[in-house]
Amino acid sequence: AQSVTQPDIHITVSEGASLELRCNYSYGATPYLFWYVQSPGQGLQLLLKYFSGDTLVQGIKGFEAEFKRSQSSFNLRKPSVHWSDAAEYFCAVGAGYGNKLVFGAGTILRVKS
Amino acid sequence: EAQVTQNPRYLITVTGKKLTVTCSQNMNHEYMSWYRQDPGLGLRQIYYSMNVEVTDKGDVPEGYKVSRKEKRNFPLILESPSPNQTSLYFCASSLRGQADTQYFGPGTRLTVL
Repeated sequence: AQSVTQPDIHITVSEGASLELRCNYSYGATPYLFWYVQSPGQGLQLLLKYFSGDTLVQGIKGFEAEFKRSQSSFNLRKPSVHWSDAAEYFCAVGAGYGNKLVFGAGTILRVKS
Repeated sequence: EAQVTQNPRYLITVTGKKLTVTCSQNMNHEYMSWYRQDPGLGLRQIYYSMNVEVTDKGDVPEGYKVSRKEKRNFPLILESPSPNQTSLYFCASSLRGQADTQYFGPGTRLTVL
């Protein structure tokens, strides 16, 4: 069965600084990988996803993520954080159609001005 | 407007009193699922459905029931709620499966006294 670990519960960065949120997964084959964002009081919105091909994936709002098979990681990055990026970020892993989607525990991002 | 709706948005109830949380989507999606979100645990999948009359357990199905009689609706039933089911619940849908973009409802905050 697949699993996801997000090692950082909280991260605080200054506005304009770069950001990297970590995600490690466990699955025997190449999984489907996702990053979702949840703004306060809202549902979740997809930022980006990886299925195959280019290991650097571009998403919305200036985010990108890199799939590294050797490290079983799918870290999310943004070169310059804006105050509106403050939210909770979830990494998720799936294993093909007709299967479960497993989410990590989430990382809360705080942006200080 | 394409959306997933949930009702009610907030509910306070007492132990043992049966309740239903409705979920409806207007995107003709085949895949629907229910999650609960608890602090520090992220989202955990309760049940999912690949299509009408096809449902399967997620990671935390105990104490919950679902049905999928129509493509657009996927109600979550708690036949005898208990305090440990106090949580924030999200319904989600996607075109064919968990590998597709999930569209989340706004959430239902349930408190069981």
